[in-house]
Amino acid sequence: ETGVTQTPRHLVMGMTNKKSLKCEQHLGHNAMYWYKQSAKKPLELMFVYNFKEQTENNSVPSRFSPECPNSSHLFLHLHTLQPEDSALYLCASSQEGGGGSYEQYFGPGTRLTVT
Amino acid sequence: AQSVSQHNHHVILSEAASLELGCNYSYGGTVNLFWYVQYPGQHLQLLLKYFSGDPLVKGIKGFEAEFIKSKFSFNLRKPSVQWSDTAEYFCAVRRYNNAGNMLTFGGGTRLMVKP
Repeated sequence: ETGVTQTPRHLVMGMTNKKSLKCEQHLGHNAMYWYKQSAKKPLELMFVYNFKEQTENNSVPSRFSPECPNSSHLFLHLHTLQPEDSALYLCASSQEGGGGSYEQYFGPGTRLTVT
Repeated sequence: AQSVSQHNHHVILSEAASLELGCNYSYGGTVNLFWYVQYPGQHLQLLLKYFSGDPLVKGIKGFEAEFIKSKFSFNLRKPSVQWSDTAEYFCAVRRYNNAGNMLTFGGGTRLMVKP
């Protein structure tokens, strides 16, 4: 256990569905991240939130919509996905700024399959 | 654009063999360097990190890595591997600038240790 939880762990959705992935960190960190892990590709950073403000959007298609209501929770809203979006979606958190360790702690991921 | 290269995609070793996994990055500024490990079915976890100081850093489970600035490298080593080291290993680089706290990951190296 890293202190970062993700739900659901597995999700199968059709291309016309709308679903959301949830991430919660219990570490008191001030930054949260979404990554996409696909087979045979490097881990791709999707979004970064610092102090609940989005600071990075790594050219992610608009069918992925992040939301960070507070520093402990992060959501990824999904709609009209494509089969190539099937992947493991990882959430991470870190403590940034003075006194922070900067290392990122990862959740177990949500295995998404788009049919 | 910054990139992180792990040249060994798959490595197979027998128990007690020595391990060295290569990692090279392209960014010329100040960087923080990390090695993460992902055991089968588990989340990504930090093995070790380099921020400054002694370029030879020691991590958990007997792993160490050496930062060679002139070679833009941060190779991971272990003198004697065990079957339990079977996992995927990821090198990651964090740029130290105003661009935010982004980690760029290498493509990963799958290590299989035969008993």
